[in-house]
Amino acid sequence: EAGVTQFPSHSVIEKGQTVTLRCDPISGHDNLYWYRRVMGKEIKFLLHFVKESKQDESGMPNNRFLAERTGGTYSTLKVQPAELEDSGVYFCASSQLKRLRTEAFFGQGTRLTVV
Amino acid sequence: AQSVTQLGSHVSVSEGALVLLRCNYSSSVPPYLFWYVQYPNQGLQLLLKYTSAATLVKGINGFEAEFKKSETSFHLTKPSAHMSDAAEYFCAVSESTNAGKSTFGDGTTLTVKP
Repeated sequence: EAGVTQFPSHSVIEKGQTVTLRCDPISGHDNLYWYRRVMGKEIKFLLHFVKESKQDESGMPNNRFLAERTGGTYSTLKVQPAELEDSGVYFCASSQLKRLRTEAFFGQGTRLTVV
Repeated sequence: AQSVTQLGSHVSVSEGALVLLRCNYSSSVPPYLFWYVQYPNQGLQLLLKYTSAATLVKGINGFEAEFKKSETSFHLTKPSAHMSDAAEYFCAVSESTNAGKSTFGDGTTLTVKP
């Protein structure tokens, strides 16, 4: 069984540009989570999808960040326009819908560098 | 609200020595607690978890952790460090109703000296 897959693994963009990160969850996992780790600090929750619906987006930092999950399969996280402080590692995780008491499985992360 | 404090951003031990990584948590509801490991250039891997069953939890690679409610702690231990244990370790807490939404600590980098 394939794990959570994230694309790209690394991205370097200039301030003001747009970047789109993609996450493919484990097949059949309806829960999808985005996290990020900025400047070597703690890993912070960004948002939670249940299928295609945003269940909880309390961690989204500002309106430059847009997450989508059309069709309830893969998800994208767009940053537009990117700022220097957006640099960090963005993690995606997924879990089965009926198993909210089970931890989510994490992808390898996308390292975003804004210069 | 939940929070996690990992004491010591860097821990160094000699190969064969005891590994002790400290984690204290705060939670207004009975917590689920996790330890994750991140090896260089890899993703987060679950080491072990506490989900209100046994307070002493055994995980992969010889690691274990003990949930102590009175001390609000969930320290990670391994009796004998191996060079391959060098990595960054994260403690995390979540509510049982949504275990996938976790609050993480800042992480502890473990260095193992030969």
